[in-house]
Amino acid sequence: GNSVTQMEGPVTLSEEAFLTINCTYTATGYPSLFWYVQYPGEGLQLLLKATKADDKGSNKGFEATYRKETTSFHLEKGSVQVSDSAVYFCALKQGERGQGAQKLVFGQGTRLTINP
Amino acid sequence: KAGVTQTPRYLIKTRGQQVTLSCSPISGHRSVSWYQQTPGQGLQFLFEYFSETQRNKGNFPGRFSGRQFSNSRSEMNVSTLELGDSALYLCASSLGLQGSNQPQHFGDGTRLSIL
Repeated sequence: GNSVTQMEGPVTLSEEAFLTINCTYTATGYPSLFWYVQYPGEGLQLLLKATKADDKGSNKGFEATYRKETTSFHLEKGSVQVSDSAVYFCALKQGERGQGAQKLVFGQGTRLTINP
Repeated sequence: KAGVTQTPRYLIKTRGQQVTLSCSPISGHRSVSWYQQTPGQGLQFLFEYFSETQRNKGNFPGRFSGRQFSNSRSEMNVSTLELGDSALYLCASSLGLQGSNQPQHFGDGTRLSIL
């Protein structure tokens, strides 16, 4: 079945450091890929998405490129801020053929802490 | 545009009881999905409803059920509660149309605690 594997956390960085959170997936066909972020006491917020190979999703300084050859969707940011401290989830969606079925498969999440 | 609204935010129940959680999707969204989030198992898909029909189901026991109304609002019910049902229950909505790559939008969840 489909699965998503993220690098284990927690990850602790200093402000303005470079961030990479690794994400790899297993799926048949061409899933859509997402990064969601969860702040304490809140639900998930969509951070960025990519729907086909070589697509680059970007938002708020974060980027991730859909790499089919390595089945990866690593999250990067050039200079992190304290406000980026949160839990980050990589996810894939693969609807059944001919349907719009919505089912996200999530990685285990990576807790990121940014120190001033 | 209002986001996904889940009520209540917090619930405390005891073993053996049953509970109903509510979710109001973003206006115009016809698909509502439910997820369970726990520290041990992470985020797991429960089920999805589209146009009042269950379209997709995860691997949860029959104690977990749901329904969707004609206005797309959805409820989730858990009967005979167990300690292991303590979790954050998240609802997500999307257009849900065939071939659509629109993402799911999440509510802030209902935190259920079983004593």
